[in-house]
Amino acid sequence: EPEVTQTPSHQVTQMGQEVILRCVPISNHLYFYWYRQILGQKVEFLVSFYNNEISEKSEIFDDQFSVERPDGSNFTLKIRSTKLEDSAMYFCASRKPGLADPQGELFFGEGSRLTVL
Amino acid sequence: ELKVEQNPLFLSMQEGKNYTIYCNYSTTSDRLYWYRQDPGKSLESLFVLLSNGAVKQEGRLMASLDTKARLSTLHITAAVHDLSATYFCAAANSGYALNFGKGTSLLVTP
Repeated sequence: EPEVTQTPSHQVTQMGQEVILRCVPISNHLYFYWYRQILGQKVEFLVSFYNNEISEKSEIFDDQFSVERPDGSNFTLKIRSTKLEDSAMYFCASRKPGLADPQGELFFGEGSRLTVL
Repeated sequence: ELKVEQNPLFLSMQEGKNYTIYCNYSTTSDRLYWYRQDPGKSLESLFVLLSNGAVKQEGRLMASLDTKARLSTLHITAAVHDLSATYFCAAANSGYALNFGKGTSLLVTP
């Protein structure tokens, strides 16, 4: 069964360093998302991406964050200068176009755990 | 702002018993999602509910949606240990920026 894959599974970085988290969405999906989950807390929406543009973003997604689809398969989340509070599990998700899946099911990857020291 | 409240947040139940998890949301929502999360793992999609009165069942889990009451329920029938996990509901009022509840941590004991 196709799945969303994410790398790395765990990254430890120093405060102020840049981090890039990578995702390979399911191949026929056109909508891509990043969510995060701080340990023990609820899952929070960061950003949605379609047709090489951000379609929606939350207040969390400030100027320190950026997303990119550098080629036909990868979808990345970059944090320019990490802070302690960026420590979280970051989930990538994708979904089919609406006509192909009217329910709008989102498929999540296994997550990338980011630890900022 | 769309807010999602789940209760209970913690639930310990015996095998074989039935229980219901409740999910209230504050404003109109296009769709309601239920996910399961095992410790350290990703979110597994359980149900997507789109319309008032929608009911979906998969094994021992049944989800329903009442859009007028802005309430969704996840009913567990004859719980087994394998159902132990954290269950999240999430609502979206437009697009797919899901607003998640805090999750219900379910422990099923012998």
